[in-house]
Parts: sequence; structure tokens; C-alpha cells
Amino acid sequence: EVLVVESGGGLVQPGGSLRLSCEASGFTFGSCWMTWVRQTPGKGLEWVANIKADGSITNYVGSVRGRFTISRDNAKNSVYLQMNSLRVEDTAVYYCARSGRRDGYDGWLDRWGQGTLVTVSS
Amino acid sequence: DIVMTQSPDSLAVSLGERATINCKSSQSVLDSSNKRNHLVWYQQKPGQPPKLLIYWASTRESGVPDRFSGSGSGTDFALTISSLQAEDVAVYYCQQYFRAPLTFGGGTKVEIK
Repeated sequence: EVLVVESGGGLVQPGGSLRLSCEASGFTFGSCWMTWVRQTPGKGLEWVANIKADGSITNYVGSVRGRFTISRDNAKNSVYLQMNSLRVEDTAVYYCARSGRRDGYDGWLDRWGQGTLVTVSS
Repeated sequence: DIVMTQSPDSLAVSLGERATINCKSSQSVLDSSNKRNHLVWYQQKPGQPPKLLIYWASTRESGVPDRFSGSGSGTDFALTISSLQAEDVAVYYCQQYFRAPLTFGGGTKVEIK
């Protein structure tokens, strides 16, 4: 069974840092692009960042570029999101998801975790 | 960035009737190299993560009922539920995966009339 489990969310003050983790199982992790998507409570989905299977390519949405860093450890079947200089508007549920493409490119997200809540507030 | 615009924002349809959701991209998501549209549809129910319904604009994910279908090409796409069931009440999102950042539409809430 494919499983994707996020952890690391919590309450942090504006300007603070937090590191999210995502542990995957049930598939060949080192063959898949992985993505972080966030959702503000009651609002829509926002794609945050992705990382290629071998970690050689990363992409970010403009609002987090320079503040967030996505990384992965294929030996631990894990992907991470280091979030620095957090802002109130970063408050959201953060989902980790697997890409369904297997041809070396990123694509649709076919397996999602349940999400972890990040609250940025003083 | 490619902007994805969905319409309507919400839709109320009677059980058994057709529901159609539209999605428009600010630039074409048709890949000339593989002749495929890099467009995906998700369904999200309250308290759950999104669920993949359709990718390549019209390919149904395994296990998704055939009342769900996707159509369109280039910049204009649609998700159709041919006969709405009670369990289809959800918010539906389109997303392009043609170019990073891989942007989502704003969502369409489908309810029972």
C-alpha cells in the first residue's frame, strides 16, 4: 500500500522557522518527483514546491522562493520542506504528494498525505 | 506563471443530472512534442486531501467512475459528471503541469439542488 505521511507542523511566530517532513512507503520513492501543496483553511489549493526524483531539480512558487527549501533523502524515503522567515500568510495545511508520471518529468499528483497544519501567529 | 481560471465558483445540480465545470488556462498547456494536454482534475471532499480523477486532460485514473470525463485542448477544458450522485458533492480543482509553478484553479463547489 502506498502511504505518504507528513509531520512537523505546529504553531510558530512570524519570522520563525519550521521543517516539515514527509515519509513515503509502498513504492519506489527514488523514481518519483515529490511535491508540497498547501491549503489555507476554507480556501483553495496552492502548489508550493517540487523536487525531481534524484534531487537535481527544484521549483518554487514565487511567494516562497528564497524562504523555503525543498530537499529529499532517498535512502530514508523522505522529502522535507524547510520554511524560514515565516509569515502569517503561510498559515495553511501542507500536503505532501507523489507525482504519477514515470518518464522523468513531473505531472499529476496521484497519492497525497493527510496534511500537517502550520500556523504562523504571534 | 500560468493562471488557471475555473467557472463557475459553485454549481447546484439535481441528482442524476449533468454537471459541467470549466477551466481555462492563460496559455496553452498542449505539449507539441507528445500532443498531450498537461491538465489534471482533482476532487476534494471536506476534511480529506484531494483525489486524482483525470490526467492528460481526459485519461481517467484507475477506479474513478466512468460518469466522470474530461475534455478540451489548448487553453479550454471541462470536467463533466454525466449523472450526479450524492457522493460527488465536493470541490473540484483543475491544475496544469505544463510549466512550473504547477498552478491550480480556484476550485468549483458542486452541491445537490
